[in-house]
Amino acid sequence: TQLLEQSPQFLSIQEGENLTVYCNSSSVFSSLQWYRQEPGEGPVLLVTVVTGGEVKKLKRLTFQFGDARKDSSLHITAAQPGDTGLYLCISGGSNYKLTFGKGTLLTVNP
Amino acid sequence: NAGVTQTPKFQVLKTGQSMTLQCAQDMNHEYMSWYRQDPGMGLRLIHYSVGAGITDQGEVPNGYNVSRSTTEDFPLRLLSAAPSQTSVYFCASSRQDGGYTIYFGEGSWLTVV
Repeated sequence: TQLLEQSPQFLSIQEGENLTVYCNSSSVFSSLQWYRQEPGEGPVLLVTVVTGGEVKKLKRLTFQFGDARKDSSLHITAAQPGDTGLYLCISGGSNYKLTFGKGTLLTVNP
Repeated sequence: NAGVTQTPKFQVLKTGQSMTLQCAQDMNHEYMSWYRQDPGMGLRLIHYSVGAGITDQGEVPNGYNVSRSTTEDFPLRLLSAAPSQTSVYFCASSRQDGGYTIYFGEGSWLTVV
């Protein structure tokens, strides 16, 4: 299982702040998924991006897929304590070959 | 629709004991897999299956066995538990039709003492 590079590894911010986390690889992604894992739970899908340059929004979350499909970012506006969790990027390929990032652990303090 | 169901949620084992982590999915997915998640290591693939009767090893298969007698069930067996197998285990499933959405179970926290 190859790894995607996620940064930062840890992020602690105050409620109301904005933040961006990144997912990068030297290889081209066929598609990329972002998951959020809350403490004591399994990862839950937030979004899938498949087209270079694609931007998707999910309430206060904005996901972007790089033009070359080698990188992706997740931007959270006005973070809330409920956004606390581990954010994972996972890239899917043929024959179920998945590539995982180690995740960004986000803590939003009230 | 329950999705992916794992049991037990928590388990403490003594070194040398054996046990089975159960995993069931009700989405008729062909692909199922087991991962372990350790601090700083991310998710690592233990075993996977692309359909009933077909299993294969992942990145860290030693000490674990799997079987896939039905589409729904994919149990993970620890043959002789070791402290190094203390971890959080996730079962996951996905469609075979090229869909990339992976559905994870809620996890099983295993401690081997």
